[in-house]
Amino acid sequence: TQLLEQSPQFLSIQEGENLTVYCNSSSVFSSLQWYRQEPGEGPVLLVTVVTGGEVKKLKRLTFQFGDARKDSSLHITAAQTGDTGLYLCAGKQATGRRALTFGSGTRLQVQP
Amino acid sequence: DAGITQSPRYKITETGRQVTLMCHQTWSHSYMFWYRQDLGHGLRLIYYSAAADITDKGEVPDGYVVSRSKTENFPLTLESATRSQTSVYFCASIKGLAGVYNEQFFGPGTRLTVL
Repeated sequence: TQLLEQSPQFLSIQEGENLTVYCNSSSVFSSLQWYRQEPGEGPVLLVTVVTGGEVKKLKRLTFQFGDARKDSSLHITAAQTGDTGLYLCAGKQATGRRALTFGSGTRLQVQP
Repeated sequence: DAGITQSPRYKITETGRQVTLMCHQTWSHSYMFWYRQDLGHGLRLIYYSAAADITDKGEVPDGYVVSRSKTENFPLTLESATRSQTSVYFCASIKGLAGVYNEQFFGPGTRLTVL
């Protein structure tokens, strides 16, 4: 059983559309991160959210951390073909370990 | 600035053989990690290391061995490879001793196929 559940697993949309990816858990996290991974490469950090209810924006990407710090969402406005990739959420539990727990990922394909 | 590198990038081996995947980072980061990535499972932690000569098991350590004699290197060995270990392996490190921010820097990955 995945500690962090991401949905949807796959998403294929047209350029210009909006989309939201969800990351849910029954566990509380001290912080949650979103990474993006391109084929043949390692994940790259997009954002870290720490405070319950926090909202961060990165150009057309909006990240939100749930009030209870158990879930997060990533919203992309007016998707572009360059947004294509695998999006991974990763949470740090309040155990003191530096290791992150990763979700299973959402594969996004933006068609021109 | 090379950052974090992995070798080989691709490896094909046979069941029962020993395989070592190399990871090298040039930042002198304290923490290093090994993950495997399989479809539908995201990234799963195999082993991690807090410093030279300090290692600990992650979520899926069975069948793997690690060592860290030098801060910059963190090799992962499959003692007797099995088909279930066919996967993409990622090494990662943490810059500094940040609290909750934990930004991990990943290598490019090694695609391992066990026949």
